Amino acid sequence: QKEVEQNSGPLSVPEGAIASLNCTYSDRVSQSFFWYRQYSGKSPELIMSIYSNGDKEDGRFTAQLNKASQYVSLLIRDSQPSDSATYLCAVTRGSNYKLTFGKGTLLTVNP
Amino acid sequence: EAGVVQSPRYKIIEKKQPVAFWCNPISGHNTLYWYRQNLGQGPELLIRYENEEAVDDSQLPKDRFSAERLKGVDSTLKIQPAELGDSAVYLCASRPTQANTEAFFGQGTRLTVV
Repeated sequence: QKEVEQNSGPLSVPEGAIASLNCTYSDRVSQSFFWYRQYSGKSPELIMSIYSNGDKEDGRFTAQLNKASQYVSLLIRDSQPSDSATYLCAVTRGSNYKLTFGKGTLLTVNP
Repeated sequence: EAGVVQSPRYKIIEKKQPVAFWCNPISGHNTLYWYRQNLGQGPELLIRYENEEAVDDSQLPKDRFSAERLKGVDSTLKIQPAELGDSAVYLCASRPTQANTEAFFGQGTRLTVV
């Protein structure tokens, strides 16, 4: 079982819809959870971090964490074509700050 | 505040040649990561430093890859000799060594081995 798993997609949504991106992780001692956005040919850019169970909202983005289910998700409301990118889920394991990434989910928002 | 700086941005070399990448992290960030990212894949950790100490290098192919962070600030990653399969983007990231902090990436170095 991989440490961090994501559906590779592609996930296609119409403009204005909600995009839902999912991530599971295998290590129960994982403590910090991140979503990065990566445009083609660019480096990953942090968009959300979440450290405790529940929801965290920032503008059109909401991260959801469920440690019991070892599940973290990212919701993008009112999706825009500019949101089209690969979304990477990343997890740190315990207190040693090892940052492990999933393969990423390619999101396409259609005008 | 300056971000993570990497150089060069692009490098094309012939196989069996050596190559080196340089990274200057964000000031005050004690944790430094080197990742390799292949097309369509997520970043894969090569090595992680806490200050000048390499604390996680289990994924670093030590027969040809080496890294150093002598003064606990900037870092270099070297490949010698390069192979065709080393073609990838090499990413450097840094973060403060504190709980609940984020890592920030440099622009990466795209390596092409021909």
